[in-house]
Amino acid sequence: RKEVEQDPGPFNVPEGATVAFNCTYSNSASQSFFWYRQDCRKEPKLLMSVYSSGNEDGRFTAQLNRASQYISLLIRDSKLSDSATYLCVVNKAGGGNKLTFGTGTQLKVEL
Amino acid sequence: ETGVTQTPRHLVMGMTNKKSLKCEQHLGHNAMYWYKQSAKKPLELMFVYNFKEQTENNSVPSRFSPECPNSSHLFLHLHTLQPEDSALYLCASSQGQGATYNEQFFGPGTRLTVL
Repeated sequence: RKEVEQDPGPFNVPEGATVAFNCTYSNSASQSFFWYRQDCRKEPKLLMSVYSSGNEDGRFTAQLNRASQYISLLIRDSKLSDSATYLCVVNKAGGGNKLTFGTGTQLKVEL
Repeated sequence: ETGVTQTPRHLVMGMTNKKSLKCEQHLGHNAMYWYKQSAKKPLELMFVYNFKEQTENNSVPSRFSPECPNSSHLFLHLHTLQPEDSALYLCASSQGQGATYNEQFFGPGTRLTVL
């Protein structure tokens, strides 16, 4: 089983749609969780951290379910500029800041 | 824009060449990282440096040799590479390694092609 598993997509959605991405992780000792965004041929950038209680940043909502080892990202009212690959990222168990990345889910928002 | 720069941005080298990748961070961070990103594969952590000391070598072949002369600079020395080493090499930095939610800032990467 992959350490961090994501549906690669692509998800093709119309502008204004709501889209949800899911991610599962295998190591129950993982401590911290993130969503990064990577545009085509660019570097990854932090979109948001994911906290146990769930958190929201504008149109973006992240949820964590430790029991099911499952992380989600919800994007509401999607914009053309949201088109990118969304990377689910987990902090490796054992401390430090050693991140494990999923392969990413590609989102294409269309007119 | 992110405060982490990498040079060169593109590199083509033969299997017998020796080259070096350079990374510099202007953020005052103490931890620096090398990652490899191959097509259709997730980013793979290669090396971690914390306060110039290497704290992680993720079973990377010896043909990749990192160097961290100070907290702002990180190098990846390459020699006798294989075609399967062709990938995007990303450098990142963070404030430190102790905190759980330390954001990592990435450089633009060096796209390496080994012929």
